Amino acid sequence: NAGVTQTPKFQVLKTGQSMTLQCAQDMNHNSMYWYRQDPGMGLRLIYYSASEGTTDKGEVPNGYNVSRLNKREFSLRLESAAPSQTSVYFCASKGRQGNQPQHFGDGTRLSIL
Amino acid sequence: DQQVKQNSPSLSVQEGRISILNCDYTNSMFDYFLWYKKYPAEGPTFLISISSIKDKNEDGRFTVFLNKSAKHLSLHIVPSQPGDSAVYFCAASPNAGNNRKLIWGLGTSLAVNP
Repeated sequence: NAGVTQTPKFQVLKTGQSMTLQCAQDMNHNSMYWYRQDPGMGLRLIYYSASEGTTDKGEVPNGYNVSRLNKREFSLRLESAAPSQTSVYFCASKGRQGNQPQHFGDGTRLSIL
Repeated sequence: DQQVKQNSPSLSVQEGRISILNCDYTNSMFDYFLWYKKYPAEGPTFLISISSIKDKNEDGRFTVFLNKSAKHLSLHIVPSQPGDSAVYFCAASPNAGNNRKLIWGLGTSLAVNP
């Protein structure tokens, strides 16, 4: 009963390093999302994928790229990490019907020095 | 500009009493509202939702009330239990077909004291 699985759980990077955050869901959901959560800012959408093969920008896409590798997997890449990208990153997925909730992974805590 | 506002950052309630968490929104296009609960080091967990065609939805100890004219919703937890201590997020979505994007409030931290 895994749901949404994110790896890694923790990571420390140096400024300028690159990294890919992985997300996989086993609920056969069409839509997947990447959020970041910062103190006092709530959850902000970075990118989302409405279906396999499509991706769209969310509220704060700058500095990130995404890949919807297949229906199960949606990765988030930081090409050149910056201290402003220190955050907790959450992946979520949602079924096809409109009024269904998003289901979240447990997050990746990323620190950039 | 916060479209979804949770004006109380924290709330403390005695076990067995009612917890009332409030949420206000500004966008009249929102037609679907959700509450999520979040424990430390975990992802948000869906709690309950309500469509704008309803004014109340109940699930066990949890009830959400929607007042569209006031652009206000509230989550009632009765009776409150210590395990309910968590951060509660209100989220809202405009009518966007099958791929709804959510707009989130900043959360209210609920402490239920034994």
